[in-house]
Amino acid sequence: NAGVTQTPKFRILKIGQSMTLQCTQDMNHNYMYWYRQDPGMGLKLIYYSVGAGITDKGEVPNGYNVSRSTTEDFPLRLELAAPSQTSVYFCASSYSNGYTNSYEQYFGPGTRLTVT
Amino acid sequence: AQKVTQAQTEISVVEKEDVTLDCVYETRDTTYYLFWYKQPPSGELVFLIRRNSFDEQNEISGRYSWNFQKSTSSFNFTITASQVVDSAVYFCALSAALGGSEKLVFGKGMKLTVNP
Repeated sequence: NAGVTQTPKFRILKIGQSMTLQCTQDMNHNYMYWYRQDPGMGLKLIYYSVGAGITDKGEVPNGYNVSRSTTEDFPLRLELAAPSQTSVYFCASSYSNGYTNSYEQYFGPGTRLTVT
Repeated sequence: AQKVTQAQTEISVVEKEDVTLDCVYETRDTTYYLFWYKQPPSGELVFLIRRNSFDEQNEISGRYSWNFQKSTSSFNFTITASQVVDSAVYFCALSAALGGSEKLVFGKGMKLTVNP
């Protein structure tokens, strides 16, 4: 199993450009997440998905969009890049039985994005 | 609202010293889960432990041990006989799995440096 894979590893964007960060998992997990990590800070949740076709906002969703057309893929879209979106982005996945069990999230290697 | 506080931002020790990383959490939920993740210099996030709110037993895994105390809302992590490879940023996180949302709230992390 490759686990959670993310592409690209690094990217530099100009202000106003758009891009999509790709995330794929091969563990058949139903839940997927996008986080951002700013220097000296913990991770903050951008969006999450509880299954194909279902997404919801996290703590910091502004400036981002997501879609989940398959169980495996959960791309994150930046429409008009701003310097405030310079960060490291992590995708994660986990299994949930939909009740009160919360299992560990498995993280991808991250994408380091710089907007100048 | 849920919150995780890691009061220590950075600790430096000499190899073979014991070190304890503090984590204090806030939640109104009666069912919740606590996690520790390790982020080595390479940047990936590595899952270390998951503990649910009904299980206050301490856990030991090799040189790692965890002390969960609901009375003080703490979930502290101790590394015994630290090694250089333990140098990393350690995150404590909290999840309340109500309705299956399972969103992780992270502390800001604590950077541990173990010097030879």
